[in-house]
Amino acid sequence: AQKVTQAQTEISVVEKEDVTLDCVYETRDTTYYLFWYKQPPSGELVFLIRRNSFDEQNEISGRYSWNFQKSTSSFNFTITASQVVDSAVYFCALSANTNAGKSTFGDGTTLTVKP
Amino acid sequence: DGGITQSPKYLFRKEGQNVTLSCEQNLNHDAMYWYRQDPGQGLRLIYYSQIVNDFQKGDIAEGYSVSREKKESFPLTVTSAQKNPTAFYLCASSRLAEAYEQYFGPGTRLTVT
Repeated sequence: AQKVTQAQTEISVVEKEDVTLDCVYETRDTTYYLFWYKQPPSGELVFLIRRNSFDEQNEISGRYSWNFQKSTSSFNFTITASQVVDSAVYFCALSANTNAGKSTFGDGTTLTVKP
Repeated sequence: DGGITQSPKYLFRKEGQNVTLSCEQNLNHDAMYWYRQDPGQGLRLIYYSQIVNDFQKGDIAEGYSVSREKKESFPLTVTSAQKNPTAFYLCASSRLAEAYEQYFGPGTRLTVT
């Protein structure tokens, strides 16, 4: 069975602070994919990044960075110099072929960035 | 513009009535999904389909039904058997493999009184 845990239910920061959203996953598959999605107040989830289990290279995209560590089964997401527009619910998800390609989502972390 | 359309954005129904939520995509994706989201909670999979005329139950299929007569369309019917239907419903689609991300529609907020 697959499981994704986002232990932080809510995080509140002040603009320009850095913030890290944690994601821990469980799977017996050796090949799997990890995703992060953003859900702004409008409700529509937006895809941010995909990582496969064989690629542990960290990635940076502007103010966003992702740290994938297989040894700790974690795929953490850091926003540098947060902005009010970053306020949203962020979901981590896991997908593997033994689960027919379905994604297992974490419960999400609500990030509030205050001006 | 390619994307997923869900309509309507807000829907109100009386208890005991069936209601159908629309989901259309023009991304040429084979797989489509329906999720339910309750306040402060994550996404729970209701049904998914990987090919036309075929679909599988997700984690919370009871009280729901779907059809997949066309690749582009995957409507969800919330039946009167669903005990607590008030929720936010999200439709998504993806290419057919676990490697691919899902694209989501704007959602339908259903209120049943």
